[in-house]
Amino acid sequence: GIQVEQSPPDLILQEGANSTLRCNFSDSVNNLQWFHQNPWGQLINLFYIPSGTKQNGRLSATTVATERYSLLYISSSQTTDSGVYFCAVEALRGNKLVFGAGTILRVKS
Amino acid sequence: GAGVSQTPSNKVTEKGKYVELRCDPISGHTALYWYRQSLGQGPEFLIYFQGTGAADDSGLPNDRFFAVRPEGSVSTLKIQRTERGDSAVYLCASSFSVSGANVLTFGAGSRLTVL
Repeated sequence: GIQVEQSPPDLILQEGANSTLRCNFSDSVNNLQWFHQNPWGQLINLFYIPSGTKQNGRLSATTVATERYSLLYISSSQTTDSGVYFCAVEALRGNKLVFGAGTILRVKS
Repeated sequence: GAGVSQTPSNKVTEKGKYVELRCDPISGHTALYWYRQSLGQGPEFLIYFQGTGAADDSGLPNDRFFAVRPEGSVSTLKIQRTERGDSAVYLCASSFSVSGANVLTFGAGSRLTVL
């Protein structure tokens, strides 16, 4: 099945700093979603982005489908951005999202 | 409802007992998914429903696990003869379709602890 690799596994930021999280996947996809899992375990959908670029406030994401990677940008980070960020993809011939192992983000004040 | 609702939020049981976890999806979403998340890992797919039928149950770990969605809305995940290794957070998601892709929205999860 499709493989999803996320990097870095861990990231510590000072409040106000910017960061880039990466997601590589092994096959063509028709769905890619970025999620934030908060400290209470809730998975929040950040972006549905199988290709192109989207922005939502301080967050933006870019997926280059032909090169099989996606990037999540966090600008001016806040302590509330802490948590685990997951990339999940659905292969073109698939019917389910496959998750990466996540990036643990800690933002310090 | 406004979001995906899962009950119970926490369940502690003894090894060998039977457990049911319930998921109430977003109204109008035809697809429903169950995932399992162990500590420090990403969610792992268990089963997917399209309407009332299980379209893909390839992620169920063994025959102790079973899920139903009899009326195409609420789903119940059933675990028989629970084992300590079943301890995890069980996540439910429902989805709408965008250009043929399913965009998932997750519930808060049911944390199962098997003693």
